[in-house]
Amino acid sequence: KAGVTQTPRYLIKTRGQQVTLSCSPISGHRSVSWYQQTPGQGLQFLFEYFSETQRNKGNFPGRFSGRQFSNSRSEMNVSTLELGDSALYLCASSQDRSGGNTIYFGEGSWLTVV
Amino acid sequence: AQSVAQPEDQVNVAEGNPLTVKCTYSVSGNPYLFWYVQYPNRGLQFLLKYITGDNLVKGSYGFEAEFNKSQTSFHLKKPSALVSDSALYFCAVRDLDYGGATNKLIFGTGTLLAVQP
Repeated sequence: KAGVTQTPRYLIKTRGQQVTLSCSPISGHRSVSWYQQTPGQGLQFLFEYFSETQRNKGNFPGRFSGRQFSNSRSEMNVSTLELGDSALYLCASSQDRSGGNTIYFGEGSWLTVV
Repeated sequence: AQSVAQPEDQVNVAEGNPLTVKCTYSVSGNPYLFWYVQYPNRGLQFLLKYITGDNLVKGSYGFEAEFNKSQTSFHLKKPSALVSDSALYFCAVRDLDYGGATNKLIFGTGTLLAVQP
């Protein structure tokens, strides 16, 4: 069974540009969540999607947005990029919202903003 | 609000010795606790989880964790450390809302495990 797949793995953007990151969850998983990891702030929750609906949102500005498609694939978008957005963006998937389910992570997308 | 704390930024242990990576938690309901490992420039790999039941949870790569309700701890352990265990380890708790469990994980700050040959 394939794991959580994130694309692209590495990208470099310029300040002011926008970026879209993609995530394909494990087959059969309907929940996708996104995290930002930086050396200074650690792992921070961005948002969670389940059945194409955003169920949870972290404390990030409106420049960060996401969506989930009917096949459970998800994208996140960051507009008007700032230098501080440079980070590893991790996608995670779970079968549903049951507390006992395991949450699996992808390898991440490394974003560098210059 | 749910939270976890990892009191040690780094743990050093000699290969072959037992290792412990500490985690304490604070939850308002049933704790759903997880351990993940991150190797350099990689994503997070699931090691083990505590949902309910047996306080000793066994996971991947020979790791186990002991859930202690009275001490609100969930320490990660391994009887004999390997150099290849050197990595960043994260403890996490599943957040809860009015509907119960969510898929939002709240992470500790991470503990760097260094195993010396």
